[in-house]
Amino acid sequence: DAKTTQPPSMDCAEGRAANLPCNHSTISGNEYVYWYRQIHSQGPQYIIHGLKNNETNEMASLIITEDRKSSTLILPHATLRDTAVYYCIVRVVGSGNTGKLIFGQGTTLQVKP
Amino acid sequence: DADVTQTPRNRITKTGKRIMLECSQTKGHDRMYWYRQDPGLGLRLIYYSFDVKDINKGEISDGYSVSRQAQAKFSLSLESAIPNQTALYFCATSDSRDRWNSEQFFGPGTRLTVL
Repeated sequence: DAKTTQPPSMDCAEGRAANLPCNHSTISGNEYVYWYRQIHSQGPQYIIHGLKNNETNEMASLIITEDRKSSTLILPHATLRDTAVYYCIVRVVGSGNTGKLIFGQGTTLQVKP
Repeated sequence: DADVTQTPRNRITKTGKRIMLECSQTKGHDRMYWYRQDPGLGLRLIYYSFDVKDINKGEISDGYSVSRQAQAKFSLSLESAIPNQTALYFCATSDSRDRWNSEQFFGPGTRLTVL
């Protein structure tokens, strides 16, 4: 699975959009981009994933660049409850999927009033 | 009720003791995982199991063993606990039939302290 690079920390004002970047320049064609978050030592929570098209769900949007070497997770209206560590993970899914998640150190997002 | 439960939630033990951490799930998933997390770091995979008869080592399996007693239960054992095994331990599950999503569902964690 490809490695990812994320900034260690970011701040965001409550109510504003939080844009969390992730670099995955060695991503392979069959690898998806996943985002999880972990709120204060709780179990990580799945947010969203995508292959090459932009994706949106009730929690967030995922923007993947055309060359797939980087992506951005967008929380459109951040709240204090979005304060967490956000992990960007790249992995194979489908046939041959081992199911393993390899976590880096993630980005600590602090949402401020 | 939680779909993935872990017991105990907190445990303090002494060096050399045998410890078992238990994980149960009601999601009907076939795949289960054990991770550990050290302060300020991401999660690292200890063991994973694709079904009752299929158990695999993760990146940091030394000093640990596991048992998949049933599809719904996956236990992690520390045969002789040492202080550097002090960490937060998470169990997770996923459904291999959900091939194109493969979301993992995590338990609440067990905080283990080895003195």
